Amino acid sequence: GEDVEQSLFLSVREGDSSVINCTYTDSSSTYLYWYKQEPGAGLQLLTYIFSNMDMKQDQRLTVLLNKKDKHLSLRIADTQTGDSAIYFCAESVPGTYKYIFGTGTRLKVLA
Amino acid sequence: SAVISQKPSRDICQRGTSLTIQCQVDSQVTMMFWYRQQPGQSLTLIATANQGSEATYESGFVIDKFPISRPNLTFSTLTVSNMSPEDSSIYLCSVEAAQGAPEAFFGQGTRLTVV
Repeated sequence: GEDVEQSLFLSVREGDSSVINCTYTDSSSTYLYWYKQEPGAGLQLLTYIFSNMDMKQDQRLTVLLNKKDKHLSLRIADTQTGDSAIYFCAESVPGTYKYIFGTGTRLKVLA
Repeated sequence: SAVISQKPSRDICQRGTSLTIQCQVDSQVTMMFWYRQQPGQSLTLIATANQGSEATYESGFVIDKFPISRPNLTFSTLTVSNMSPEDSSIYLCSVEAAQGAPEAFFGQGTRLTVV
């Protein structure tokens, strides 16, 4: 199957860390992605990870990949109110340019 | 990164009419895609817009309902035909970052409401 699942909501306090989780079913995906969608806007690519990596860090963002469990996570350190958005994980479909998107996690940051 | 412009950004349309959405990229790209995001839902790929040939549609989407043009490597249009309220969605254009690059970029989307 090609289902990508995420929890729907996450609420954190400003300054705390946020962890958004994603599970996927296609173990042959080469790349996995995190996108951010702010209200009324398109999707902004935050980061992506190659499937042979376990971790990728980019400033406040840390991506962890557990390929055995098909689990992907995005950690946002020192979460700010501007981080409030919907976060989508996505996996590439091998041999194509297609993506399968998760259901999206709505992150709310409380001041 | 590619700069993608979509027009219109939003529209309210009467049922039974059609709307054409434009996607302009500031550089030549091989792959262009159209996605639909229904209210509160994730993104679903409608089709791949192929330059010089017919678009490749995903399961559940047909050319009569969503005709696509791709006249060159920087431009594509998606038409939503004979609209019904169920077509109310955000429609997003997407392109590959560069040939062979793993990431894709998205336009800001067209928010369509059918009344």
